[in-house]
Amino acid sequence: KAGVTQTPRYLIKTRGQQVTLSCSPISGHRSVSWYQQTPGQGLQFLFEYFSETQRNKGNFPGRFSGRQFSNSRSEMNVSTLELGDSALYLCASTLAGGPIDEQYFGPGTRLTVT
Amino acid sequence: SQQGEEDPQALSIQEGENATMNCSYKTSINNLQWYRQNSGRGLVHLILIRSNEREKHSGRLRVTLDTSKKSSSLLITASRAADTASYFCASRGSGNTGKLIFGQGTTLQVKP
Repeated sequence: KAGVTQTPRYLIKTRGQQVTLSCSPISGHRSVSWYQQTPGQGLQFLFEYFSETQRNKGNFPGRFSGRQFSNSRSEMNVSTLELGDSALYLCASTLAGGPIDEQYFGPGTRLTVT
Repeated sequence: SQQGEEDPQALSIQEGENATMNCSYKTSINNLQWYRQNSGRGLVHLILIRSNEREKHSGRLRVTLDTSKKSSSLLITASRAADTASYFCASRGSGNTGKLIFGQGTTLQVKP
């Protein structure tokens, strides 16, 4: 089975711009979650989508949004980029999020905002 | 903060020695998972332990879970230089959810 894939792997954007990141989960997995990793804050949960609906949301401003398509692929969008949005963005997929469902991560998208 | 805690923050050992990392979490869970991360890359899934399990083994890894103390430990036996990485625990709350709450991680250095 192919793993979780994320595109692009690297991005450089300017303050004020917007960006869209993509995540393709493992085949058959219906839940996709997004995380932001920074040296200062560590790994923080952004949101989770399950069957095209947002199931959970972290404490991030509304500039961060996402969606999930019928094939379970997910995108996240960050509008009006700020310098502090520079981070490694990781997505993870799991079957449904039950007690025995392992969660697998993609390689991440490293976003640099200048 | 909802984040869990891990200790030690950094650990340096010689090849062949055992490494133990501890993790605490704050809310009730349905499972806890451990991950490895090499140099800011993606997270590699190591092991999952369910809330009704107390101990689990996988190769050189041994994980324990104490739900009464809301804590878990990861033991790597006979460590190798290739085990050098950051290790994170991540707790998943009750019910069906993909939301993981991560600890701050332990950076392990294994010297050849």
